[in-house]
Parts: sequence; C-alpha cells; structure tokens
Amino acid sequence: AQTVTQSQPEMSVQEAETVTLSCTYDTSESDYYLFWYKQPPSRQMILVIRQEAYKQQNATENRFSVNFQKAAKSFSLKISDSQLGDAAMYFCAYKVDRGSTLGRLYFGRGTQLTVWP
Amino acid sequence: NAGVTQTPKFQVLKTGQSMTLQCAQDMNHNSMYWYRQDPGMGLRLIYYSASEGTTDKGEVPNGYNVSRLNKREFSLRLESAAPSQTSVYFCASSERVWDGVTDTQYFGPGTRLTVL
Repeated sequence: AQTVTQSQPEMSVQEAETVTLSCTYDTSESDYYLFWYKQPPSRQMILVIRQEAYKQQNATENRFSVNFQKAAKSFSLKISDSQLGDAAMYFCAYKVDRGSTLGRLYFGRGTQLTVWP
Repeated sequence: NAGVTQTPKFQVLKTGQSMTLQCAQDMNHNSMYWYRQDPGMGLRLIYYSASEGTTDKGEVPNGYNVSRLNKREFSLRLESAAPSQTSVYFCASSERVWDGVTDTQYFGPGTRLTVL
C-alpha cells in the first residue's frame, strides 16, 4: 500500500521568514509523481507544486520549492518570504499511473501552517 | 471558465435518506474523481472515472454509487446515508490518465455533508 506521512501536524512561521514542511512516502515504484496542495479556510484544494520522480532537478514555483530526495523517499516543501496568505493546511500527495492504482492520489494527513505578522 | 463546480455546498441529511452530489467541469478533462476528507485525515478516493463511460472503485467505495453522465458531469450518490458518511466531499478532474504521463488534478470547492 502507498503511504504518505507528514510528521508535523502544525507549523508556524513569522511573516517574511522561511519555513520547511516535511513529507515522506513509501513506495516500491521507480516512476511516480509528488505534489503539494494547499487548502485555505475556504476548503478549496489548490496545487502548489509538483515533482516527477524521474527528474533530478528540484521543482520551483516562485517562493515555493521542494527538496526531493528519492533514495530517502523524502519530499519537503520550502516556503520563502512567507506571507499571511500562505496560512493554510498543506497536503503532500503521491501518485503513480500504473496498473490498479491508475490515477489515484494518496494524501498525507496535512500540516497546518500559521503565519504570524 | 469556472473549473470544477460542485452542488450543493452544504447538506444535512437524516440517517437513511438518499441524495446525489453533483460535479461538473468545463476544462474538457477526460478523468474525474470523488474524494472524501475526514477531520485529521487527508483526502481519500471514493470512485473515479478515467474516461466517459467508465467508473472504478477507489479506496473507500462502500455506501456510494457514481454516474459519469457525460464528459462534463460526474455524480456521487448516497443511497442510504449513515453518520459515518459525515464528511467533506471533493470532486476533481484531470486531463488524462493513460500514457504514463501524469497530469494534475484540479479540485472543486467541496460539499460539507452532515448525516444525523
């Protein structure tokens, strides 16, 4: 079974500072995809960033970047220059498009991020 | 371009009642999904439809049925609601599932369902 673990139920950061959210996953696959989704109080699930496992280069989207360590099965999200609007629940998710697991996203339990002014 | 829309936003049911959650997408996506989110949990897949005319069970399908009405619409039905089905339900869509190149799932705003 695929599992995604987020070991930090809650994190906080001062505005303009940097914060890193952790995620580990368990898989026997070599080709897969990893995502970070953000869920603000509106409950909307918003894609933050994605990473293909076959790519060695870490993905970056503006202030958001990942540290993808394939051997360690680790996928952390770094938020630089944190803003009040970054406050949300962040979910790490894993996906493999093969066989019976075709198309499924497996989610971690989430990390609640608070941003202090 | 509304993306993924869901109706209703909120619903309260009594045990044993039935209802259908509606989902529609205007992105011409092939694949659609239904998830549920319980407190302290990530989203879990209930059913998905890889393409029009096909549906498959996900991780937690018991107590639910789905219909892929056409390419745009994917509904989720609770035939006899139970308190254990109290949750927030999300619909999502993505462009394609096949060919080994994954694609991103886009989510609707969710439906908060309470079963008394």
